Amino acid sequence: AQKVTQAQTEISVVEKEDVTLDCVYETRDTTYYLFWYKQPPSGELVFLIRRNSFDEQNEISGRYSWNFQKSTSSFNFTITASQVVDSAVYFCALSEAYTGRRALTFGSGTRLQVQP
Amino acid sequence: DTGVSQDPRHKITKRGQNVTFRCDPISEHNRLYWYRQTLGQGPEFLTYFQNEAQLEKSRLLSDRFSAERPKGSFSTLEIQRTEQGDSAMYLCASSPADLNSPLHFGNGTRLTVT
Repeated sequence: AQKVTQAQTEISVVEKEDVTLDCVYETRDTTYYLFWYKQPPSGELVFLIRRNSFDEQNEISGRYSWNFQKSTSSFNFTITASQVVDSAVYFCALSEAYTGRRALTFGSGTRLQVQP
Repeated sequence: DTGVSQDPRHKITKRGQNVTFRCDPISEHNRLYWYRQTLGQGPEFLTYFQNEAQLEKSRLLSDRFSAERPKGSFSTLEIQRTEQGDSAMYLCASSPADLNSPLHFGNGTRLTVT
């Protein structure tokens, strides 16, 4: 069975601070995908990144960066110089890679509040 | 690309009534998913379609729930004899068949059962 744990329920930071959102996963699959989605107050889940389990290279996209460590089953997300617009609930998710099903198993989310 | 569209955005119903939600996926996306999200939790998988075929149903999808996707385009999710525990956000997502493509989610339908 797959499981995703986001231990941080809520984080509050002041604008321009860096913040890291933790994600730990469990799966018996040897190949899988990891995702981060953002859910702003409007409710729509916005895709941020997808990572294949074969690719442990860290990725940076603007102020966002992701650290994937297979040895610790973690896929953490860092926002550098946070902004008020980053306030949202962030979800980490996991899916099988090759069955074609691709139903996502989500964590319970981390609510990020960025204060001005 | 107009995104995934869901209707209605909000639905308030009395316990015991039937409700139906609609999802219009991104055109040419042949996979369509339904998820349920309760307050403070992540979305939970309910069911998915590839074209018009319903390929998997979660055990969360009780006999009171039924989903269809006639002609492989839009989809409907019906809940019969609603219960207060059905109150949640119902999310629809679509994707192309390509395994490299992520799911695109709609804004969801928020159901409140009184």
